Order: sequence, then structure tokens, then C-alpha cells
Amino acid sequence: GENVEQHPSTLSVQEGDSAVIKCTYSDSASNYFPWYKQELGKGPQLIIDIRSNVGEKKDQRIAVTLNKTAKHFSLHITETQPEDSAVYFCAAPPLGPAAGNKLTFGGGTRVLVKP
Amino acid sequence: EADIYQTPRYLVIGTGKKITLECSQTMGHDKMYWYQQDPGMELHLIHYSYGVNSTEKGDLSSESTVSRIRTEHFPLTLESARPSHTSQYLCASSQQGGLTDTQYFGPGTRLTVL
Repeated sequence: GENVEQHPSTLSVQEGDSAVIKCTYSDSASNYFPWYKQELGKGPQLIIDIRSNVGEKKDQRIAVTLNKTAKHFSLHITETQPEDSAVYFCAAPPLGPAAGNKLTFGGGTRVLVKP
Repeated sequence: EADIYQTPRYLVIGTGKKITLECSQTMGHDKMYWYQQDPGMELHLIHYSYGVNSTEKGDLSSESTVSRIRTEHFPLTLESARPSHTSQYLCASSQQGGLTDTQYFGPGTRLTVL
């Protein structure tokens, strides 16, 4: 099955600085990589995703990059703001006939943006 | 915003009680999931369903059971709650056959067993 590792587990940044979270995956056939943001007291919400046919995708202040050769993908948040403080999860789908739409999640990164 | 609901949001209960955590979605999604989230943040899949009358155990062994009698409803039951069941429980759903595997999560139920 898929194994997803996420680093760092905690990240503290000054407001306005950039934050980068990295994930590695084990199954070279994986083709979809979403990122979820979980705010306090809420369930995770999808913020951006990337498919294996592109190397980078941007949406305003967030971007995701994918290196298929190295089997890792990263979330970049620029000009961080206090509302970016949350727990972020990367994920990848396990493949095979029994996988269905399941996702394997990374361990999560707690991001704190200091004003 | 996703239309997936969980009740109750918070539950404090004594050991040995039977509890049911409710999860409902109005998006017509075929696939539904239950995750257990420990204080260390990690999400563990404990149950999933691909449609009515379909349920499977997830990656993390759980003493809970689930049922899927209606598409929109996926309740989780603990026959006899124990302190080790204290955790955050998250329900999610996704659309089978869609172009993406996006899972939509509910707000969660925080369960405390005394």
C-alpha cells in the first residue's frame, strides 16, 4: 500500500514569511496529490490538489509542486497570514483494485503564523 | 462548503454505554468514510463504504461498527464505550467515478469516555 511521510510536524513562521511543507510517497503509480487544511474545531478541507501530469499548480498564495522522479510533493504558502495557522495534511491515493477512492494521509503539519 | 453533517459535536459518556455517532451528507455521494483522529493529529481510516449495504474495515482496527442502509447516512456505533475510545471521529464522503478523489469532511465528533 501507499506510505506517505510529511515533514515537518510543526512549523512556526513570522507573518509575511513563506511556509513550506514536504511529503514523500512510496507508490510510483500514484497520480493525485491533494492538500487539506484543518482549522481548530473543524474537519479537514481541500485547499489545493495536483495531478501527476503537471509539475506545479498555484492558487493565489498557495502552490503545490510535484517531483515524480523523487516521489515527493510540497505545499508552499507565501505571505503567510494569521488565518493560515492550522494543521495541514498531504495525501495520496493507494492504488490497486481494492483502493477505490481511499486516501493515505500524511501525519500532518501544525503551522503557527506569529503576528 | 460541503454538505456533510455530524452529530453530536461533543459527547461525554461513561464506560460501558452504547453510543451512535451520526453522519449525513446531502451531496448524493456513494462513498463514505470514518476516520479516527488522535491528539497527535494523524488521521486513521477505520471504516468505509462504497454504497448502500457496502461496508469495509479500514486500516486501523476499531471495535466500532457501521451501517449503510441509505446513501446519505453512515452511522458509527460503539456497543460498549471504553476510555480507550476517547478520540475525535471524522466522517467524510466522496463521489464514486469522479475525476478527483476529493473527500469532503464533516466537522467531527469529539468523544470522551470516562
